[in-house]
Amino acid sequence: AQRVTQPEKLLSVFKGAPVELKCNYSYSGSPELFWYVQYSRQRLQLLLRHISRESIKGFTADLNKGETSFHLKKPFAQEEDSAMYYCALSGVPGGTSYGKLTFGQGTILTVHP
Amino acid sequence: DTGVSQNPRHKITKRGQNVTFRCDPISEHNRLYWYRQTLGQGPEFLTYFQNEAQLEKSRLLSDRFSAERPKGSFSTLEIQRTEQGDSAMYLCASSDQDRGSYGYTFGSGTRLTVV
Repeated sequence: AQRVTQPEKLLSVFKGAPVELKCNYSYSGSPELFWYVQYSRQRLQLLLRHISRESIKGFTADLNKGETSFHLKKPFAQEEDSAMYYCALSGVPGGTSYGKLTFGQGTILTVHP
Repeated sequence: DTGVSQNPRHKITKRGQNVTFRCDPISEHNRLYWYRQTLGQGPEFLTYFQNEAQLEKSRLLSDRFSAERPKGSFSTLEIQRTEQGDSAMYLCASSDQDRGSYGYTFGSGTRLTVV
């Protein structure tokens, strides 16, 4: 069964400090991994995906297949980064779970001034 | 077309009543997904459509739940004989099949409260 675990429900840092939101997954095969973000009073939106190896709003995430992790990192947190962050996975194209997302429980990030 | 639209935004109903939610996806997206999110949890998959065909249903979707997507456009999710455990945020998302999960766009959700 596929599963996504985000061990921290709450994470607080000060502005300018580095931040790392942890995500571990369980999946038979090579899934696609994503980070979604939900700012206050806004809808859930895609932040980044592992396959594109991009940096969005200063955030990066590296897929570690050995540790089955996909941690989200930012070297200098900003107050506007305060939000709920969800890690999610999907099966690869052609598989039965392609396009269907399995989410973690989410981590609330608070960046203090 | 400004994105995925869900109506109503909020619904309060008495236990035992039936409720229906509507989702209007992005017009060029052929896949439509329903998720449920309870307090403190991430969204959980319920079902999805490719055009008008319902391709998969989660075991979370009991026989009191039914979803339709007539003509492959908007979709409705109906809950019959609501229970307090049905209280949750119901999220709709759409995507382009060729882009798979990449093109996922979520709606704002319908918050259901069963009293």
